[in-house]
Amino acid sequence: GAVVSQHPSWVICKSGTSVKIECRSLDFQATTMFWYRQFPKQSLMLMATSNEGSKATYEQGVEKDKFLINHASLTLSTLTVTSAHPEDSSFYICSALSPGGQETQYFGPGTRLLVL
Amino acid sequence: QKEVEQDPGPLSVPEGAIVSLNCTYSNSAFQYFMWYRQYSRKGPELLMYTYSSGNKEDGRFTAQVDKSSKYISLFIRDSQPSDSATYLCAMKVGANSKLTFGKGITLSVRP
Repeated sequence: GAVVSQHPSWVICKSGTSVKIECRSLDFQATTMFWYRQFPKQSLMLMATSNEGSKATYEQGVEKDKFLINHASLTLSTLTVTSAHPEDSSFYICSALSPGGQETQYFGPGTRLLVL
Repeated sequence: QKEVEQDPGPLSVPEGAIVSLNCTYSNSAFQYFMWYRQYSRKGPELLMYTYSSGNKEDGRFTAQVDKSSKYISLFIRDSQPSDSATYLCAMKVGANSKLTFGKGITLSVRP
């Protein structure tokens, strides 16, 4: 299967700081990437859909000014959590849509964010 | 009613057992069906991907889709302790559409 990486794998930051998470498709080009958040023992919650070269589409209830998404190339999307607060602590997972036929979503390993 | 319903479990079985995991859905527009496996603190890993009704087999795993009943299943034969994980069903309307996930079920296979 296709490989998607995320960096960093975990991050601890102080309240009020901003954190950037990178998502890369390593062996394919992805015009569409997705960002999810997952709380303990819960399923994945889609935050936004990221399209290369255009603005991201955010799900209802997700603050676009707080969760900045940039999809500057066909292999890289970034999520920046601005002015992070403890309630933003979560597991953030990206996925990339592999083209060619059935458009399968491949997920990254996730980034664990802890805001103190 | 949620679009995708999945028994939350947890489920515990002895090694070697046959495991049956199920999801039901309400949106008849769903055309693509997937099963993902997620180990603790890791991203989901695609296990099975099916487009039409019927069965698809891959090693010890069999995915079954019944569109008329809006029901999908994942069967695991000869279950192993390494199969212990959370299993998520997911489905989408179109090839480029976003996924709708079930809540996931945690499976534990006892040695």
